[in-house]
Amino acid sequence: QVQLQQWGAGLLKPSETLSLTCAVSGGTFSAYYWNWVRQPPGKGLEWIGEISRVGTTYYNPSLKSRVTISVDTSKNQFSLELTSITAADTAVYYCARAQVILGPPLRLGQIDYWGQGSLVTVSS
Amino acid sequence: DIQMTQSPSTLSASVGDRVTITCRASQSISTWLAWYQQERGKAPKLLIYKASTLQSGVPSRFSGSGSGTEFTLTISSLQPDDFATYYCQQYSNYSRTFGQGTKVEIK
Repeated sequence: QVQLQQWGAGLLKPSETLSLTCAVSGGTFSAYYWNWVRQPPGKGLEWIGEISRVGTTYYNPSLKSRVTISVDTSKNQFSLELTSITAADTAVYYCARAQVILGPPLRLGQIDYWGQGSLVTVSS
Repeated sequence: DIQMTQSPSTLSASVGDRVTITCRASQSISTWLAWYQQERGKAPKLLIYKASTLQSGVPSRFSGSGSGTEFTLTISSLQPDDFATYYCQQYSNYSRTFGQGTKVEIK
């Protein structure tokens, strides 16, 4: 049974850095890509980015300048940092697992498991 | 960037109805499309991937079709658990984009 357990600060001030970590249990950590997705209150889902076990990253172009996703394979964990946050970054943040479609070429597959979500509120 | 447009935004239906949701991509994504169901306050749940492949454990009343730029999610006979919001997502070319969502409400 794959489980994704996430944690991080829930209340931040404008201009601070958002940091979240997701720990994965069950399944093979190395065989997947690891994602962050967010959802502002009452709105739709927005993909933030993803990372492989060796640190290959893909980011949403609209957030790329502020986002860093990192991985710690020794702990089966991956993390999100989002800098210079504003009220517009208030959202529920989800970590998630994505399948990898072996090639050639290697392709990113569907997201199939999600964490429970963490509400991050940005307010002065 | 590939944009995904879902229609309708809201759909009112009754238990037992056949329901169809459409998702259009701004450029061809072959069949690299997934559908998710999200209940209020919960994480999304994968229903369909590669446009038409049913995820393990998902009831067979859910089906997906399409390729290129136009896709549909069909619920053959709406059940009480199906009143939720549905999202399409493309995963072509090392990026992902979600549609804006379709809320299925009780009529």
